Amino acid sequence: GAVVSQHPSWVICKSGTSVKIECRSLDFQATTMFWYRQFPKQSLMLMATSNEGSKATYEQGVEKDKFLINHASLTLSTLTVTSAHPEDSSFYICSACPNGETQYFGPGTRLLVL
Amino acid sequence: RKEVEQDPGPFNVPEGATVAFNCTYSNSASQSFFWYRQDCRKEPKLLMSVYSSGNEDGRFTAQLNRASQYISLLIRDSKLSDSATYLCVVKTGGFKTIFGAGTRLFVKA
Repeated sequence: GAVVSQHPSWVICKSGTSVKIECRSLDFQATTMFWYRQFPKQSLMLMATSNEGSKATYEQGVEKDKFLINHASLTLSTLTVTSAHPEDSSFYICSACPNGETQYFGPGTRLLVL
Repeated sequence: RKEVEQDPGPFNVPEGATVAFNCTYSNSASQSFFWYRQDCRKEPKLLMSVYSSGNEDGRFTAQLNRASQYISLLIRDSKLSDSATYLCVVKTGGFKTIFGAGTRLFVKA
């Protein structure tokens, strides 16, 4: 099946720093990727849709200046959490749909902001 | 009302039991339906798609009732390894995908 990778798998940082998370499609090209956030015992919440070569589309309530998304190539999208604060601590997961139907998820990045 | 609703559980069942999960969705224009499995602290993984005619994959059977706007997942002969959270996922037109909050299953020896 399709493979999506993420890096890093976990990160601990100080409040106020920025953290970059990479999402790669390993065996297919993805013009669109999705970024989700999941808090403990809650469902996945879509943050934004990343579009190759154009601006990302953010969901209501998600600050685009805080969560910077760059989709510079057909296999790579990055999410940068700028000036991270403890409330940004969460599980961040990216996904892509190689066939336009089924979503495949990356392994996730666990962020802890101290 | 949530767009996709699931019973959060947890469902505690003994090994070998049959367990069923239901999921309801509010958008009648929804087009595609899936069940994902998510293990603790891991990403969701596709378990199976759900087709109008119903479909089976080994011990797992999924069914869709468009008239009543619900989908179900039946697990027969439960294994310890089936313990996980099962996410109901509904896709409307285009890329809009809605996740249920998940149903937690614990299978005990």
